[in-house]
Amino acid sequence: EAGVTQFPSHSVIEKGQTVTLRCDPISGHDNLYWYRRVMGKEIKFLLHFVKESKQDESGMPNNRFLAERTGGTYSTLKVQPAELEDSGVYFCASSFREGDYTFGSGTRLTVV
Amino acid sequence: GQQLNQSPQSMFIQEGEDVSMNCTSSSIFNTWLWYKQDPGEGPVLLIALYKAGELTSNGRLTAQFGITRKDSFLNISASIPSDVGIYFCAGRLSGGSNYKLTFGKGTLLTVNP
Repeated sequence: EAGVTQFPSHSVIEKGQTVTLRCDPISGHDNLYWYRRVMGKEIKFLLHFVKESKQDESGMPNNRFLAERTGGTYSTLKVQPAELEDSGVYFCASSFREGDYTFGSGTRLTVV
Repeated sequence: GQQLNQSPQSMFIQEGEDVSMNCTSSSIFNTWLWYKQDPGEGPVLLIALYKAGELTSNGRLTAQFGITRKDSFLNISASIPSDVGIYFCAGRLSGGSNYKLTFGKGTLLTVNP
C-alpha cells in the first residue's frame, strides 16, 4: 500500500508570505495528525483529525496556522503569514486506530 | 505540558559496539514508543511498549518500559553502519480519543565503520 505522502518536500519562503502544506494519508485511515520539529527540538504535536473533524488542535501555535481536511481524505496546513520561527520540518502521520502511526517524509519549511 | 528528557543528545561509536539511550518524564505514560528517523524520511516505529516493566526485543534492539511508567530505555547491540540516524522516544497517555504522542528531542547516532 502507498504510504503517507507529503507535498512539497521542501519549501523556502519569505517572511510574510503564505505557504500551504499537503498530506495524503494512507487510504482508509480515519486518523490524521500533524507534527512539527523545529531544529534541535522535540517533535511536537499540532493537531489530530478524525475523518474531517478536528479531534484535538491543542498544539496549534497560533491563529496563523489553519488546518483543513475536507471530505476526510487529504489534509492541508496553511501558514499565513509565515514568520521566521515557523521554520522546521512538518510531519504528517495517519493511523487506522490508536497506535498504528505511519509518518510521511515531512516538509522542510524555511522562512527567510 | 508534558516533557520527555532524552539522553544522550548524540553518540559517536565504532561499528560493533553496543548503544544505550534513555528517556525520563515527570509524567506517567501508558505507552512508550521508540522511533528511528533516517535523513530525509519520517520517523519509523522500532518498538512499542504497553506495560510497566515490559522488556521487548526486535532483532538487535531491546527496549524496556520502566516500572514507574516514567522512563524507558533502548539498547542496540553490535551496531552496524545502517544504525546511523536519529532515535526518538515517545510517550502516550491512552484512553478516550487521546492519540497524541509526546516526543523526546532525539539521540543522533553516528557509527564509524
